[in-house]
Amino acid sequence: QVQLVQSGAEVKKPGASVKVSCKASGYTFGSYGINWVRQAPGQGLEWMGWISAYNGNTNYAQNLQGRVTLTRDTSTSTAFMELRNLRSDDTAMYYCARGQGPMAYWGQGTLLTVSS
Amino acid sequence: DIQMTQSPSTLSTSVGDRVTITCRASQSISSWLAWYQQKPGKAPKLLIYDASTLESGVPSRFSGSRSGTQFTLTISSLQPDDFATYYCQHYNDYRWSFGQGTKVEVK
Repeated sequence: QVQLVQSGAEVKKPGASVKVSCKASGYTFGSYGINWVRQAPGQGLEWMGWISAYNGNTNYAQNLQGRVTLTRDTSTSTAFMELRNLRSDDTAMYYCARGQGPMAYWGQGTLLTVSS
Repeated sequence: DIQMTQSPSTLSTSVGDRVTITCRASQSISSWLAWYQQKPGKAPKLLIYDASTLESGVPSRFSGSRSGTQFTLTISSLQPDDFATYYCQHYNDYRWSFGQGTKVEVK
């Protein structure tokens, strides 16, 4: 069965960076892209970006361009999301989700807390 | 960027009621729209894609429709398990955007 397993919760100080992983199993990793979606406490869903697991092509949300980088390691079927220059309003649950269109499979989420 | 405007933000309703949630796109998006259900502390669950195709395993009381740039999620007879927050999502050309969400709560 398709599974996306994310790395554990993180606590970071403002200005720091974080790198979250998303390990895929149960399907051919290179056949689907991976999206990253975040959700601030009590707020809605925000699409952050997408990476092709096949060739590494990326698209980023305009408001995060320059602070976020998506990468993948095909040898371990793992996707990564790095967010730099963290601010308090980056505190959120971060999800990876498989899909080229609709997102049928999601990771369990990684809670990032940014606090001094 | 395409904006998705979802309404209402909150819906107070009862078991057995027919529920309708609307999402309007700022420009034509063909039928590239999905609906998700999210419960507290959980990842979203895909309900409908391509505006009206029911995801496998989703109960048939959920349905989706399109009229131009307006999209509708209908729950024909609300069940206790359906109290949750619902989001629409546009997808096309490797870009995605979500509506603001609709919380379906107990009246």
